[in-house]
Amino acid sequence: GIQVEQSPPDLILQEGANSTLRCNFSDSVNNLQWFHQNPWGQLINLFYIPSGTKQNGRLSATTVATERYSLLYISSSQTTDSGVYFCAVEGVTGGGNKLTFGTGTQLKVEL
Amino acid sequence: KAGVTQTPRYLIKTRGQQVTLSCSPISGHRSVSWYQQTPGQGLQFLFEYFSETQRNKGNFPGRFSGRQFSNSRSEMNVSTLELGDSALYLCASSLGGGYQPQHFGDGTRLSIL
Repeated sequence: GIQVEQSPPDLILQEGANSTLRCNFSDSVNNLQWFHQNPWGQLINLFYIPSGTKQNGRLSATTVATERYSLLYISSSQTTDSGVYFCAVEGVTGGGNKLTFGTGTQLKVEL
Repeated sequence: KAGVTQTPRYLIKTRGQQVTLSCSPISGHRSVSWYQQTPGQGLQFLFEYFSETQRNKGNFPGRFSGRQFSNSRSEMNVSTLELGDSALYLCASSLGGGYQPQHFGDGTRLSIL
């Protein structure tokens, strides 16, 4: 099946700093989503971005489907950004709503 | 619009018992998928239901089963519980056309004693 790798696995930032999280996938995809899992376990949709670039406030994402990677940018980080960021994809042969998740990036934003 | 609702939020069971978890999708969504999250294995796909039929299945034993009702609500059942079934079980819904963004509920945290 499709493989998803995320980097870095852990990241510690000072409040106000910027960061870039990366997601590499091993095959062509029809679906790519970025999620934020907060300390309570809630998985929050950030972006649905199988290709192209999107922005939502301090967050933006870019997927280069032909090169099989996606980037999540966090600018002016805040302590509430702490948590785990997951990239999840569905390959072109999936046939349905079956996401394969990466292992995540654990982000901690400190004052 | 109400989000995906999962019940119960927390559950404690003992080995050998069975458990049923419930998921109500976003209104208008016809696809419901289930995922298991553990510290060791991460987030793994269990199965997906669309129009009351299982459309996709992950690599889990037959002890894990599910169903979907005509109103798109879904239940997941785990029989003969094992210690390793302790996990956060997450349900996601989508419109159902395939390759649609999925929206997750808050999960059911299952602990096996």
